Amino acid sequence: AQSVTQPDIHITVSEGASLELRCNYSYGATPYLFWYVQSPGQGLQLLLKYFSGDTLVQGIKGFEAEFKRSQSSFNLRKPSVHWSDAAEYFCAVGPLGGYQKVTFGIGTKLQVIP
Amino acid sequence: DAMVIQNPRYQVTQFGKPVTLSCSQTLNHNVMYWYQQKSSQAPKLLFHYYDKDFNNEADTPDNFQSRRPNTSFCFLDIRSPGLGDAAMYLCATSLSGTPAYFGPGTRLTVL
Repeated sequence: AQSVTQPDIHITVSEGASLELRCNYSYGATPYLFWYVQSPGQGLQLLLKYFSGDTLVQGIKGFEAEFKRSQSSFNLRKPSVHWSDAAEYFCAVGPLGGYQKVTFGIGTKLQVIP
Repeated sequence: DAMVIQNPRYQVTQFGKPVTLSCSQTLNHNVMYWYQQKSSQAPKLLFHYYDKDFNNEADTPDNFQSRRPNTSFCFLDIRSPGLGDAAMYLCATSLSGTPAYFGPGTRLTVL
């Protein structure tokens, strides 16, 4: 069965600092990996996704993620965090092909301090 | 412009009183999903429609039903809400792929 682990429930960073959110997945085949962001009171927004090709994926809002098969990881990064990035971030994994049923991680809440 | 709209944003119901949540989309996507998200938990897929084909998750309680009268609309019916059904309900759409567009959710409170 597929699963996702986000080891950090809460992270606090200063505005302007770099950010890395961790995600580890378990999946028996080549995974389809995603990061979503959920702002307070809002639905989820797809930040980026990976299924093949370059292991460094660029997304919206200046985010990127790197797929590392050997570590079963798909960590999300941003070089300089803005106060508006404060939100909850969900990593997800799904099967390739057709329409996917993604499994979400529990989420990481990001707090940005001035 | 809103692409996935959920109504109402907040719903309060009484224990055992049926409730219907609504989702509409302007994207003309063929797949629509319903997720349940409890506090501090990951969203959990309840069911989805691929066009008119209904796909129920094995662990979705019978208390939860869904209707999709046309491409644009999808409804979640909770026949007899219990206290454990209090959650955020998220609707999402996709074009035969990843659930890419989520609505803002409906927060359900059960008294």
